Amino acid sequence: DGGITQSPKYLFRKEGQNVTLSCEQNLNHDAMYWYRQDPGQGLRLIYYSQIVNDFQKGDIAEGYSVSREKKESFPLTVTSAQKNPTAFYLCASRRGSGEQPQHFGDGTRLSIL
Amino acid sequence: KQEVTQIPAALSVPEGENLVLNCSFTDSAIYNLQWFRQDPGKGLTSLLLIQSSQREQTSGRLNASLDKSSGRSTLYIAASQPGDSATYLCAVRGGYQKVTFGTGTKLQVIP
Repeated sequence: DGGITQSPKYLFRKEGQNVTLSCEQNLNHDAMYWYRQDPGQGLRLIYYSQIVNDFQKGDIAEGYSVSREKKESFPLTVTSAQKNPTAFYLCASRRGSGEQPQHFGDGTRLSIL
Repeated sequence: KQEVTQIPAALSVPEGENLVLNCSFTDSAIYNLQWFRQDPGKGLTSLLLIQSSQREQTSGRLNASLDKSSGRSTLYIAASQPGDSATYLCAVRGGYQKVTFGTGTKLQVIP
């Protein structure tokens, strides 16, 4: 079945450490997105990519980095510069043409040790 | 700046009741509005997407309407079931791939 796979499901970060969250999709979607979800807040966009080798900052990109070397993969690195990384991270994808719905993975919960 | 509001934040209803969830947005210049369902600790599941030119969409017991001029959308759930218990989020898409989410309505359907 086609879908979006996020791994790991749970991740722990030590102070000063960079960690990378994986997002892989086999839907042949062009656009991919990373969101952060905090309790009581709506999802906030971190980065998005519409095509391979291109990506744009969202509303809260500081302390995060991404790459889009392959169509099916859009990993997110949470750097030590992100001072409050504890959150639920969601990856999404969307077919590029027309008005298509976003599809989401099951998320990665990141906590600080 | 687009703002999306969902009221109420939480709702509890007995099984079998028909119910309406509300979503309002401040900027009517949108391309589409999407309703999602989120179960605890899980990602979002797309329920319905309404294009800006459409008034409503239906899927099974779900019906979503859109009134762009007034900045409102409703999600109607008919004959609610305990399995419908979840958080329901709406999201509007504006220009430059900008999608703004509401904070959701947490629905509990009591058997």
